[in-house]
Amino acid sequence: LAKTTQPISMDSYEGQEVNITCSHNNIATNDYITWYQQFPSQGPRFIIQGYKTKVTNEVASLFIPADRKSSTLSLPRVSLSDTAVYYCLVGDLFKAAGNKLTFGGGTRVLVKP
Amino acid sequence: DSGVTQTPKHLITATGQRVTLRCSPRSGDLSVYWYQQSLDQGLQFLIQYYNGEERAKGNILERFSAQQFPDLHSELNLSSLELGDSALYFCASSVGEGGTDTQYFGPGTRLTVL
Repeated sequence: LAKTTQPISMDSYEGQEVNITCSHNNIATNDYITWYQQFPSQGPRFIIQGYKTKVTNEVASLFIPADRKSSTLSLPRVSLSDTAVYYCLVGDLFKAAGNKLTFGGGTRVLVKP
Repeated sequence: DSGVTQTPKHLITATGQRVTLRCSPRSGDLSVYWYQQSLDQGLQFLIQYYNGEERAKGNILERFSAQQFPDLHSELNLSSLELGDSALYFCASSVGEGGTDTQYFGPGTRLTVL
């Protein structure tokens, strides 16, 4: 299983950029990296997914170096409503998702005013 | 709103009892996943179904079972309940079964075992 490691928690302030790095040293060729956001007592929500280099959407950017052993989720100019737990997942393009589904503890991001 | 529905929202029961949690996936989604999240814990994957067939198993106890019906809704059955089974149970769905498919999560069922 491609295990992921993330920091337990991070604090930030409104308007700052938050970068969360996930390590996945055993990532396989067909694996993609996906990030989810979870608010208290709600189900996780998809943020972004990528395979290599950089992916950007309306809410975040995902940076993946050439060796793909880590990835960094970047949240630009965070607001109080970005306070949540962020999970990094590694999944195989061709295999059933459940074969690698380990959300782990995630990173608890606290945005302060 | 993710389009995934779960019932009931809350469930309070006693040890030793059996309960059934229900999930309706988003329209068009063929995969259903079940997760358990205890207080301040990460999500624990339990089981995945795709188009009625079991696809993958995670840390699901023998006291727990699930199935996906022809109309694609799914039920998670929890029996001989213990205090430690108290948790939020999430259902998610995706179009396909693969590890790159976006999962859409329901609002969860909060189970309290007294």
